[in-house]
Amino acid sequence: SQQGEEDPQALSIQEGENATMNCSYKTSINNLQWYRQNSGRGLVHLILIRSNEREKHSGRLRVTLDTSKKSSSLLITASRAADTASYFCATHNYGQNFVFGPGTRLSVLP
Amino acid sequence: DAGVTQSPTHLIKTRGQQVTLRCSPISGHKSVSWYQQVLGQGPQFIFQYYEKEERGRGNFPDRFSARQFPNYSSELNVNALLLGDSALYLCASSQGGRDYNEQFFGPGTRLTVL
Repeated sequence: SQQGEEDPQALSIQEGENATMNCSYKTSINNLQWYRQNSGRGLVHLILIRSNEREKHSGRLRVTLDTSKKSSSLLITASRAADTASYFCATHNYGQNFVFGPGTRLSVLP
Repeated sequence: DAGVTQSPTHLIKTRGQQVTLRCSPISGHKSVSWYQQVLGQGPQFIFQYYEKEERGRGNFPDRFSARQFPNYSSELNVNALLLGDSALYLCASSQGGRDYNEQFFGPGTRLTVL
């Protein structure tokens, strides 16, 4: 079974609103990464957060990590229509491989 | 710098046939990983190669095989194709090493098995 599980499965918001997606995982990790995928194309790396970090920012993106709860969240502020995509979290631990969740489909309506 | 490239872009095969997918990593990257993504799901790990050696293998049957060449490019082979092999096949490259850094994905090869 997949380690990462994103929540919600689908999210629809208006342009300008904030979008929050959550990711839960089951075992220890070295790092957790968030990716974006536009309609069946390749994945684009967004942010990597290591297990000893609690929060990272990149432009309009903010990622938090709570290792005690085995969860992470991705916040997109002031969303735009171009943010419409599927978002995936992927976990990694030493000696293991990346494990992706099923993703959250975000729709930003103009 | 060129990103990760994959060929072909699209491929249509019939059941029982064999297919070879190709991937060229970002210059300087020594690790290549392969993923299968079925429509509506997240990518599933198939293989990882680092310095031409297999470093990891996902839960896929022996019909799936791969290799990495001295220039770090890679091929994924799938024999005896089944309808369920229809998917987007993604290649990702990274610098490798013990401490994984971010992976950079190619555009993928969409395989349709009829």
